[in-house]
Amino acid sequence: DIVMTQSPDSLAVSLGERATINCTSSQSVLYTSNNRNYLAWYQQKPGQPPKLLFYWASTRESGVPDRFSGSGSGTDFTLTISSLQAEDVAVYYCQQYYSTPLTFGGGTKVEIK
Amino acid sequence: EVQVVESGGGLVQPGRSLRLSCTASGFTFGDYAMSWFRQAPGKGLEWVGRIRSKAYGGTTGYAASVKGRFTISRDDSESIAYLQMNSLTTEDTAVYYCARDQAGWYYFDSWGQGTLVTVSS
Repeated sequence: DIVMTQSPDSLAVSLGERATINCTSSQSVLYTSNNRNYLAWYQQKPGQPPKLLFYWASTRESGVPDRFSGSGSGTDFTLTISSLQAEDVAVYYCQQYYSTPLTFGGGTKVEIK
Repeated sequence: EVQVVESGGGLVQPGRSLRLSCTASGFTFGDYAMSWFRQAPGKGLEWVGRIRSKAYGGTTGYAASVKGRFTISRDDSESIAYLQMNSLTTEDTAVYYCARDQAGWYYFDSWGQGTLVTVSS
C-alpha cells in the first residue's frame, strides 16, 4: 500500500497570510506513460463531507477559489492557500489514486491565528 | 444538481449485519463508478471499496480491512449503491460516505453527508 504522510498536523495562520501543507507518498504516484500525478486534495469542514479541491495534483476543481493552488510531482506535493480567509478553516487531506487501496494522508488542520 | 444521499446507519451489535444505501440524483448513475469511505470519530478518511459501472463490468474492489465481510452492489434502475456489512466489529464504528468517481480515475467530486454506524453491545 502507498502510505501518504502530511505535514504539519496542524497550523495556525493569520488572515491574509499564506498557508502551506505538504504531502509525501511512500512511492511515486507519477505515471510516466501519461506524465500525470495521481494525487488529489480535499477540504473537509467540521460536520461536512470532503470537498474535492484538486486532482492530477494541480488541476483545480470547478468553483475552487484561485487562492488555492496545488503543486508537486513524484512523491512530494504541496497545497498552498495564498491568502487565508476565515472560510478556509478546515482539515485538508491528500489522496493517491495511483493504485488501490486508495489511501489518504492523515490530514492537516488549518486554523486562524 | 448532483446529489448523493446515504441512509441506513444506526446502532448495531457486534457480529451483526447492516446494509447502507446511497441514493443518487442529478446525473446518469449507471455511467459512474461509486466508492464508499468511512471516517471513525475524530479520525481521518479510509477508503472502503468501489464498484465500477456496468460498462466496465460492474467489478468491485475492497480495502483489506473489510474484504470478505463487506459487499458493494448497485441497482442502476433505482440509482442506488449498497454497502452490505457483515460480521461487524467495534472497529467498524464510523461515519460512512459514498462518493461519485468523477471520471473513472478514483478521485471523487460528489460526496454525501454520511451516515453514522455505531457498533456496540
